[in-house]
Amino acid sequence: AQKVTQAQTEISVVEKEDVTLDCVYETRDTTYYLFWYKQPPSGELVFLIRRNSFDEQNEISGRYSWNFQKSTSSFNFTITASQVVDSAVYFCALSEALWYQGNKLVFGAGTILRVKS
Amino acid sequence: DVKVTQSSRYLVKRTGEKVFLECVQDMDHENMFWYRQDPGLGLRLIYFSYDVKMKEKGDIPEGYSVSREKKERFSLILESASTNQTSMYLCASSLHGSNTGELFFGEGSRLTVL
Repeated sequence: AQKVTQAQTEISVVEKEDVTLDCVYETRDTTYYLFWYKQPPSGELVFLIRRNSFDEQNEISGRYSWNFQKSTSSFNFTITASQVVDSAVYFCALSEALWYQGNKLVFGAGTILRVKS
Repeated sequence: DVKVTQSSRYLVKRTGEKVFLECVQDMDHENMFWYRQDPGLGLRLIYFSYDVKMKEKGDIPEGYSVSREKKERFSLILESASTNQTSMYLCASSLHGSNTGELFFGEGSRLTVL
């Protein structure tokens, strides 16, 4: 069965600090997809990134970077030089292959990130 | 701008009442989903639909039903609300065969059952 674990319930940092959000997943499939979503106080989840299981290359997008390691079943998310606007709940999610008719994602419990000025 | 709209941001209902949560998307997406969000549990899938009049159970369908009469609209129904259904409900949609797997979410409906 699929499972996503985000062990950090809540993290507080001061603005400009770097912060890493951990995500560990379990799946029996060899083909799967990993996601990160951000949920700001407004409530609407925003898609950040998707990686497939065949692509272990790390990715950087501005202040965001993702480290995918199949050997440890982890897909960690780092925010460099954090800002107050980064304060949100962050969810890691997993789907076992793109389902033909849609994507059934399994979500982790989420990590609340608080960035203080 | 793409949009998933949930009809009510906040609802307060009494135990035993029938509750309708409405979701409309304007992106012509085939797939629509209802998730429930609870602290410490993340998002759990209740039901999803990949076409009009089609529905599939998710991980926690008990106590819920859904309706998809039109492509753009997906309704979640609580036939007889109970206090353990107090939660945040999130609707999402996605394009059939999307290669990004991106789900578009609404802002959520926070339901309190007294």
